[in-house]
Amino acid sequence: DVKVTQSSRYLVKRTGEKVFLECVQDMDHENMFWYRQDPGLGLRLIYFSYDVKMKEKGDIPEGYSVSREKKERFSLILESASTNQTSMYLCASSRGGKGEKLFFGSGTQLSVL
Amino acid sequence: ILNVEQSPQSLHVQEGDSTNFTCSFPSSNFYALHWYRWETAKSPEALFVMTLNGDEKKKGRISATLNTKEGYSYLYIKGSQPEDSATYLCAFYSGGYNKLIFGAGTRLAVHP
Repeated sequence: DVKVTQSSRYLVKRTGEKVFLECVQDMDHENMFWYRQDPGLGLRLIYFSYDVKMKEKGDIPEGYSVSREKKERFSLILESASTNQTSMYLCASSRGGKGEKLFFGSGTQLSVL
Repeated sequence: ILNVEQSPQSLHVQEGDSTNFTCSFPSSNFYALHWYRWETAKSPEALFVMTLNGDEKKKGRISATLNTKEGYSYLYIKGSQPEDSATYLCAFYSGGYNKLIFGAGTRLAVHP
């Protein structure tokens, strides 16, 4: 069964902390994505990667960075967590190419106090 | 700014009812339209990827249609069951923007 695994289901952090959200996929997918989901809004793209060591900004990259050192792993980093980063974070992967369907992790609900 | 609208925002139906929701997207530069189902505490799961105007796709009791010229897609659920309760997301892939743009979703609750 194909899988995208996110390291934590729930996370509580303090303002100013550095936060790492990890995502691993076992499908040998080229593309990986980080989204956040807030009530009343669609999934918003934070960062994505089409290849190892490659990253591109999505629509809301401010306050975030990413790392993709290996094909199967895509990490989202909150350099200094703020309360407005409290959200549900979803990782996804897809095969290379345009418009391919996404395979999602089950999400990390992050609360920043 | 590319925008994807879904309606209604939420829907409550009785078991056995048939229902449908709408996804509206820009009609220019169309490449693909995705539908996902997101059940509580689970991962969003792809239902359909549609690329051609007039496409109709079916999976069990769920089907979808696509009109790229006027920029809308309908998702239909025939004979809703409690296990259909979920948030249904649509996402538009623009050939020019080269990323998926998601709507806010339709939250469906099916009551026994």
